[in-house]
Amino acid sequence: SQQGEEDPQALSIQEGENATMNCSYKTSINNLQWYRQNSGRGLVHLILIRSNEREKHSGRLRVTLDTSKKSSSLLITASRAADTASYFCATDGRSGGGNQFYFGTGTSLTVIP
Amino acid sequence: DAGVIQSPRHEVTEMGQEVTLRCKPISGHDYLFWYRQTMMRGLELLIYFNNNVPIDDSGMPEDRFSAKMPNASFSTLKIQPSEPRDSAVYFCASSLTGTGSYGGYTFGSGTRLTVV
Repeated sequence: SQQGEEDPQALSIQEGENATMNCSYKTSINNLQWYRQNSGRGLVHLILIRSNEREKHSGRLRVTLDTSKKSSSLLITASRAADTASYFCATDGRSGGGNQFYFGTGTSLTVIP
Repeated sequence: DAGVIQSPRHEVTEMGQEVTLRCKPISGHDYLFWYRQTMMRGLELLIYFNNNVPIDDSGMPEDRFSAKMPNASFSTLKIQPSEPRDSAVYFCASSLTGTGSYGGYTFGSGTRLTVV
């Protein structure tokens, strides 16, 4: 399967702490994306990192990509209660003559106020 | 733009009934995706369209599932007949590109389907 796998499955931290989530995948990719899903809502795109990039920042988010290890990490600094959500990585791959994204199983993050 | 709009938000139906889920993608997005999310299987891609044409429907679980995109602003996912194991949250997403390389995928709020 081309599906990414997030680690850990669940993470609970205190507000203000940093949260790190990891994603491993199996095949070569062109880019990798991270999404957030709040309870009962759709997924929201956070950040995209291309295969020729090693690190990318967006506000309190930092994403790294190691294509040699086929892994990525998402760091949320100075976490807030509002960051409580599930976080998914998505990797691109080919299927049925076209390109699409395969989503991982997600990390459930709880930030305790 | 109001984003990707799905309807209904919730659907409760009896086993054997036909269910139709609807989606309006973001104007200008050439790709439309239908996903199903369950606790057991996570987020599964069912089918996706490019310029209203189905590209890959290998994720459609059975012949009971069908999807159409009659025009660039509307798509439906139909289940006939519905079964309890179809209970899930169904998401529609749209994108400028197949891999979301410009701004990612934009998801709708989903339709929570319960088949009793």
